[in-house]
Amino acid sequence: GQSLEQPSEVTAVEGAIVQINCTYQTSGFYGLSWYQQHDGGAPTFLSYNALDGLEETGRFSSFLSRSDSYGYLLLQELQMKDSASYFCAVQVYQLIWGAGTKLIIKP
Amino acid sequence: DGGITQSPKYLFRKEGQNVTLSCEQNLNHDAMYWYRQDPGQGLRLIYYSQIVNDFQKGDIAEGYSVSREKKESFPLTVTSAQKNPTAFYLCASSTPDRAYEQYFGPGTRLTVT
Repeated sequence: GQSLEQPSEVTAVEGAIVQINCTYQTSGFYGLSWYQQHDGGAPTFLSYNALDGLEETGRFSSFLSRSDSYGYLLLQELQMKDSASYFCAVQVYQLIWGAGTKLIIKP
Repeated sequence: DGGITQSPKYLFRKEGQNVTLSCEQNLNHDAMYWYRQDPGQGLRLIYYSQIVNDFQKGDIAEGYSVSREKKESFPLTVTSAQKNPTAFYLCASSTPDRAYEQYFGPGTRLTVT
């Protein structure tokens, strides 16, 4: 089967950098997506890694290493509005989602 | 503005009643999805559809039914057979070749008592 593991909660300071890790066990997949979800809201797509390496989109970057079964989302210059839950999801045929990481940002 | 609408935002039902959740999109996407989200958990796939008049079961389809008579619409019925229907229901859509990038509606929070 497939499973993904993420830390349940991460705390960081405004203006700092934070990394949210995602480890997975799956027999094969197309790529790894990241989504952001504010409390009570809908998930919004952030990034996708089909290949190993780093993908950068503004303040957000995402990394994938298939050999290590590992990926991460890097958020730079943290702002209070980045307080949300972040989900990794592997694309097997459809998306298989992790349980999410709640990011708490302190002033 | 293109997007996905779900209605209503909050829905209350008595146990034993069927209830239908609406999902409409004007993004011209072929693929549509229904997910269930429980507190502190990720999204679990209920049903998905790649094309009109065709749909497939996801991981937790028992107690749910769907239809896809129009490209824009993908309603979900929560039947009385669903043991724990209280949850946050999210509808999404995508192009078939970019299933990794899904667009979500605002969700319907269903409470069954």
